[in-house]
Amino acid sequence: GENVEQHPSTLSVQEGDSAVIKCTYSDSASNYFPWYKQELGKRPQLIIDIRSNVGEKKDQRIAVTLNKTAKHFSLHITETQPEDSAVYFCAASMKSGGYQKVTFGIGTKLQVIP
Amino acid sequence: EAGVAQSPRYKIIEKRQSVAFWCNPISGHATLYWYQQILGQGPKLLIQFQNNGVVDDSQLPKDRFSAERLKGVDSTLKIQPAKLEDSAVYLCASSFASEETQYFGPGTRLLVL
Repeated sequence: GENVEQHPSTLSVQEGDSAVIKCTYSDSASNYFPWYKQELGKRPQLIIDIRSNVGEKKDQRIAVTLNKTAKHFSLHITETQPEDSAVYFCAASMKSGGYQKVTFGIGTKLQVIP
Repeated sequence: EAGVAQSPRYKIIEKRQSVAFWCNPISGHATLYWYQQILGQGPKLLIQFQNNGVVDDSQLPKDRFSAERLKGVDSTLKIQPAKLEDSAVYLCASSFASEETQYFGPGTRLLVL
C-alpha cells in the first residue's frame, strides 16, 4: 500500500520567516495531494491541494510544489504569522477499486514565535 | 453549508466497556470515512463507506470494532470491548463520491482508563 513520510515532525520559525514541510510518497498511482491544518483540539481543515498534472500551486502565502519523478511534494508558508501555528498533515490519494484511497503523513507541528 | 457533525465530543470509559460514536456527513456526500488519530500521529483510516456499502475496512480491528451506515447517510462506529490503546480521537469525514476533497468533523476524543 501507499506510504507517506513527512518531515520535520516539529518546526519552529520566527514570525515573518518562511516554513517548509516536505513529504514523500511511495506509490506512483497517487494523483492527488492535499494539505490539512489542524489547530489544537480542532478538526483538520484543507488549506491547499495539488493534482499530479500540476507542478506548483499558490494561494496567497501558501504554496505547494510536486515532483512526480522524485515522488515528493512540499508545503511552503511565507511571511509566517502566529496564527499559522498548528499541526500540518500531508496526504497522498489515489483511485483504487473505483474509490479514493487516502494515506496521511504523521504531521508537522509548526510553531511560529512572535 | 452545514459541516460534518459528530457526537459525543468526549467520552471516558473503562477498559472492556463498550462505546459508540455517531457521525452525520455533509448532505449529498456519498463517501464517509472513519479515522483514528492517536496523539502525535496522523489520521489512520479505519473504514470507508460508499453510500451504505463498505469499500475499505482493511485497517479496522474487526474483533472489537464495527461500523455501519444503514441508510447511506448517518454512520455509527462501535468499540466492544475497549482497550487502553483505543484512546484516541475518532474523526469522521465525508466527500462527494466523484471528488477527492474530504471534510472532517470535530472528532470524538475517547479516553479508556
